[in-house]
Amino acid sequence: DTEVTQTPKHLVMGMTNKKSLKCEQHMGHRAMYWYKQKAKKPPELMFVYSYEKLSINESVPSRFSPECPNSSLLNLHLHALQPEDSALYLCASSQDLLRGRNHEQYFGPGTRLTVT
Amino acid sequence: AQKVTQAQTEISVVEKEDVTLDCVYETRDTTYYLFWYKQPPSGELVFLIRRNSFDEQNEISGRYSWNFQKSTSSFNFTITASQVVDSAVYFCALSEARSGGSNYKLTFGKGTLLTVNP
Repeated sequence: DTEVTQTPKHLVMGMTNKKSLKCEQHMGHRAMYWYKQKAKKPPELMFVYSYEKLSINESVPSRFSPECPNSSLLNLHLHALQPEDSALYLCASSQDLLRGRNHEQYFGPGTRLTVT
Repeated sequence: AQKVTQAQTEISVVEKEDVTLDCVYETRDTTYYLFWYKQPPSGELVFLIRRNSFDEQNEISGRYSWNFQKSTSSFNFTITASQVVDSAVYFCALSEARSGGSNYKLTFGKGTLLTVNP
């Protein structure tokens, strides 16, 4: 079952709100990712978790705060966002990050975020 | 630095036509991986194929086929007898096998929007 789920599908929030995006995978993968995708652009990597530890932060502003409670779950906490943060937020997972291993990433359906 | 170029921004075909999506890549690594993803209007990126740099064998999966040529740094994707359901944005991506084991970073091309008209 190659499935990554994300909730909610759509989210509208004001600039002073606090909200969270959730991602779950049951493929036994040990690497999980957050991407941001603007319209008509490719996805941009935000964060990478490996074995529940944050491995990579691609210089993302602190108003985005990731969390990996366990190997199946990945959250993205949002606070004091700006209208330009409106985008599709995609979660992905892969087997792990080890050299030579299959590391194709499987993506969830995304959360369409609108910041008003 | 690695780079992926998808020169075709948009392609429009009529159902049952064959269509080829081009992908050209640049990398300094000798070991790397190439991918194709499909993104339908619903938004989810669907993994289609992964190719290792040391395996130039072409692959066919149903109506899909991929032509990997290291000599021209290309990894082209052909859909035979296209269908309306093939309408989507298609991304080519590259990852390098970095020293130290971390090969997380996918470099995406800008994508090609394929529209298949009935």
